[in-house]
This record gives sequence, C-alpha cells and structure tokens, in this order.
Amino acid sequence: EAQVTQNPRYLITVTGKKLTVTCSQNMNHEYMSWYRQDPGLGLRQIYYSMNVEVTDKGDVPEGYKVSRKEKRNFPLILESPSPNQTSLYFCASSLSPPQFYEQYFGPGTRLTVT
Amino acid sequence: LAKTTQPISMDSYEGQEVNITCSHNNIATNDYITWYQQFPSQGPRFIIQGYKTKVTNEVASLFIPADRKSSTLSLPRVSLSDTAVYYCLVGDGQAGNNRKLIWGLGTSLAVNP
Repeated sequence: EAQVTQNPRYLITVTGKKLTVTCSQNMNHEYMSWYRQDPGLGLRQIYYSMNVEVTDKGDVPEGYKVSRKEKRNFPLILESPSPNQTSLYFCASSLSPPQFYEQYFGPGTRLTVT
Repeated sequence: LAKTTQPISMDSYEGQEVNITCSHNNIATNDYITWYQQFPSQGPRFIIQGYKTKVTNEVASLFIPADRKSSTLSLPRVSLSDTAVYYCLVGDGQAGNNRKLIWGLGTSLAVNP
C-alpha cells in the first residue's frame, strides 16, 4: 500500500530534550516536506526536500533541522524543543514538478513540549 | 510570492452545491492550482488540480477563469461527510527546482442536515 508513515504519532516531551520525528514513504517520491499545523494558522511549511541531499527552508524553519540521506526518509529534528513548538506535524511526499502539487500526507504527529 | 485568499468558513445543507472561491493574484504562468480536503486530526487529502478552464473528477469540479487570478472549487450535492477544511494551493512562482508550496488558510465548510 502506498503510504507515508510518521513516528511517533504522539509525543510529550520537556523543553530542551532533543527529539526526532521520522517520516518514510514507499512511493519513490523525490519531493518531501514537513508542515506544522496550529489552530487558526493553517498549514505552514517547515522544510522541504527536492531530492536526496537537497533541502531548503520553508516558511517557519527556526528551531528545526532536517536531513535527506535516503530518498524514502526525511526525519525532522528538534535539537532543543520549546513550548512554542507544540503542534501537529505532518510529513508529505510527492513526485517532482509539476506533479508535486499532488502530495501524500502522513497521519500526523502530535507533539507537546512542556 | 504567490498568496491565496479564501473565505474562512461556509455553511451549507445536505444535497446543495457548494462553491468555494480562492484568489491568487500573483500566480505564475507555469503554476497549477490544487485543492485539498482535511478532516480533523488527519493529513490533507488531494481533491483536484487544474491549470486553466474546467477540470472535473468524481469528487469535484474546478473552474479557472482565463486570467487565472482565482479559482472555484465546486462540490456537487454535499453530504454531512463533506464537512471539512478545504485548502487552495499554488506554487510560489519562483524559477528553478527548489519551489515552495503556498497554502491558503483554508475554508471550513460545515454541512448541516
């Protein structure tokens, strides 16, 4: 089954404790992206990657890191989480442009930083 | 940067046709317009995509005027299960391979019995 998986689905952590949210897709997609979603703000892009070893900042990259060492994986790293990073996070993947508008989203990771 | 503007919310009743309009005044010549649907606590789901004129699939229709500065998503005969947030999406118009996708704030559609 074609899908995007994220782990963990739920995470409660404390300020400053490094964490990684994994994202994996099995569709051989070149394009992958991370979003956060907060009430009243819609979806905001954190980072995206056009292919292996190619990443770029989205609209809200501060406090996040990503890497793309393999085509299928695109982990999101929070080196020192803070409470303002409490949010619902989505990973997405798609083919390269122009097909990259049809994105496949993971189930989401709800992160709480206390 | 291309930006989109949508109504924040809309109300409808079962069986009615719903039209949601999105404004994207600075859309680039080679950008497509895409619409997504999102249910609470789920990732968005692709509905439809178009470049110009009209596109129709089994779920919805998308109308795009000649100037492409706006688009209208049409949902025929909505049901309660169509209650969701609908997002309009366009590219940001930059040249080259590294391109960002610009999401609107979404339209929260409530379908009432």
